[in-house]
Amino acid sequence: KQEVTQIPAALSVPEGENLVLNCSFTDSAIYNLQWFRQDPGKGLTSLLLIQSSQREQTSGRLNASLDKSSGRSTLYIAASQPGDSATYLCAVAGRTALIFGKGTTLSVSS
Amino acid sequence: EPEVTQTPSHQVTQMGQEVILRCVPISNHLYFYWYRQILGQKVEFLVSFYNNEISEKSEIFDDQFSVERPDGSNFTLKIRSTKLEDSAMYFCASLFPAGEGSPLHFGNGTRLTVT
Repeated sequence: KQEVTQIPAALSVPEGENLVLNCSFTDSAIYNLQWFRQDPGKGLTSLLLIQSSQREQTSGRLNASLDKSSGRSTLYIAASQPGDSATYLCAVAGRTALIFGKGTTLSVSS
Repeated sequence: EPEVTQTPSHQVTQMGQEVILRCVPISNHLYFYWYRQILGQKVEFLVSFYNNEISEKSEIFDDQFSVERPDGSNFTLKIRSTKLEDSAMYFCASLFPAGEGSPLHFGNGTRLTVT
């Protein structure tokens, strides 16, 4: 059964810092991995999707990497801004439906 | 850009009542899903639906739950007799299967409060 773990659970940084969010998964037989953003009480906004054959994807200040063999992904956020404050969710698509981690709640202070 | 639309955004119901949560998936998508997120917990898979039948369901999706695609555009989740622990945000999602690069598109959710 696929398990997805995200570390840290919460992170507070000052504006301008670069930061890394971590995601690990137990079953490497995946189709893709998606990173989502969730604002409090709101829906899920897709940020990046990495296919199982890819190593990384970039969108603006975001860069996601995937190491399928070790069951790890990272989301790198460059030059963080207060507007980046949200919960970031990692989700893995494999033989079963998309499985989510609990998320990392990021707070960026100005 | 096409969106998954969910209605209502918030529903309050009394314990034991039936509720129907509604979703309009993206029009050319073929797979449909319901997920839920209890406050403070992770997003959990409930059920997937393809070709007018359930393709997969989790252990959460018991006999109290059912799904239906009554016409070509709507996808509904029914809870027959709501319990307090059904209070959660329910997300609908849809997918056009185009290989590994196909993202799941989520709606904004319906917040269900059972009193």
